[in-house]
Amino acid sequence: KQEVTQIPAALSVPEGENLVLNCSFTDSAIYNLQWFRQDPGKGLTSLLLIQSSQREQTSGRLNASLDKSSGRSTLYIAASQPGDSATYLCAVRPMDSSYKLIFGSGTRLLVRP
Amino acid sequence: EAGVAQSPRYKIIEKRQSVAFWCNPISGHATLYWYQQILGQGPKLLIQFQNNGVVDDSQLPKDRFSAERLKGVDSTLKIQPAKLEDSAVYLCASSLEVGYEQYFGPGTRLTVT
Repeated sequence: KQEVTQIPAALSVPEGENLVLNCSFTDSAIYNLQWFRQDPGKGLTSLLLIQSSQREQTSGRLNASLDKSSGRSTLYIAASQPGDSATYLCAVRPMDSSYKLIFGSGTRLLVRP
Repeated sequence: EAGVAQSPRYKIIEKRQSVAFWCNPISGHATLYWYQQILGQGPKLLIQFQNNGVVDDSQLPKDRFSAERLKGVDSTLKIQPAKLEDSAVYLCASSLEVGYEQYFGPGTRLTVT
């Protein structure tokens, strides 16, 4: 059974700092991995999607990497801003059910001005 | 392009009462998902529809939860009777087809007292 773990559960950093969020999964048989952002009272916004054949994806100040063999992904945020404060969730799509996303519990990020 | 719409945004009920949530997916999206997100956890899939047929409802507590998607567009999720542990955010998502990227609505926050 696929399980997704995110560490740390919460993180507080000063503005301008570069930071890394971690995601690990137990079964390497995945179609893709996706990082989402969730603001309080809002739905999920997709940030980056990495296919199983890819090693990384970049969008602006965000860079996500995928190491399928070790069951790990990282989300790197450069030059953090207070507007980056949100909960970040990672989700994998296992190969045994291509439609079902399995989510981690998220990392709650606070960027202090 | 309009996003996924959900209503109501917030609902407070007493245990043993019933409640219904409504979702309008992105136009043209054949696949619709209902997720339950308990505070501090990632979303968990409750049920998935392909057009108006159920693809997966393995994690839906069928003794109290029901969902329908008549005419393959809008969907309603009902809880009857509600329990305290049903307090959560209920997220609706849609995708063009099974396995395509999912787009999430803002969610309905349910509090059962």
